[in-house]
Amino acid sequence: EVHLVESGGGLVQPGGSLRLSCAASGFTFSRSWMSWIRQAPGKGLEWVGNISPDGSGTYYVDSLRGRFTISRDNARNSLSLDMGRLTVEDTATYYCARGGADFAESAYWGRGTAVTVSS
Amino acid sequence: QTVVTQEPSLTVSPGGTVTLTCASSTGTVTSGHHPNWFQQKPGQAPSSLIYDIYIKHSWTPVHFSGSLLGGKAALTLSGVQPDDEAEYYCLLHNGAGWVFGGGTKLTVL
Repeated sequence: EVHLVESGGGLVQPGGSLRLSCAASGFTFSRSWMSWIRQAPGKGLEWVGNISPDGSGTYYVDSLRGRFTISRDNARNSLSLDMGRLTVEDTATYYCARGGADFAESAYWGRGTAVTVSS
Repeated sequence: QTVVTQEPSLTVSPGGTVTLTCASSTGTVTSGHHPNWFQQKPGQAPSSLIYDIYIKHSWTPVHFSGSLLGGKAALTLSGVQPDDEAEYYCLLHNGAGWVFGGGTKLTVL
């Protein structure tokens, strides 16, 4: 069974940084595209970006490129999201997701971790 | 940046049929956009329903179907059940990444 568990969320001050992690199990992590998606309170979903199975390719929504970095450790079955220069607009629940078959983007989801940016 | 537009809200009666649509600001939605559809219920993580226009997962209820319709991606629910009341999101590939629509709140009444 696919299991994705996000961690690292919490309260951070504007201008600060935070690293989110996602622990994966129940599937061959090193063969899977992985994504981050976020959802601000009471709002819709926003695709943040994804990373290829071997980590050689990363793709981001234009508005976040340069501030957010996705990485992975296939030896540890772990996905990360490094977030910098945070603003209140980055307050959201952040979900990690695994791709399925070709173009099955975000077929499997974790439960999310909440990030609050506030002074 | 591509903007993906969905109906903000729809209402359907139990047992009825409803079609949700997903439009792209760049023009006609095609197979190259590889539309995905997701369902989200309050307090829960989203769940994938459909990918690559019409392909279902093993867990997708049989009364959900995906298609391209009138230049848009479409999600049709046939024989709607009360449990189908939820927010539905489409997701389109724009060549450089993916973009979610704003979501459709489906009320079963």
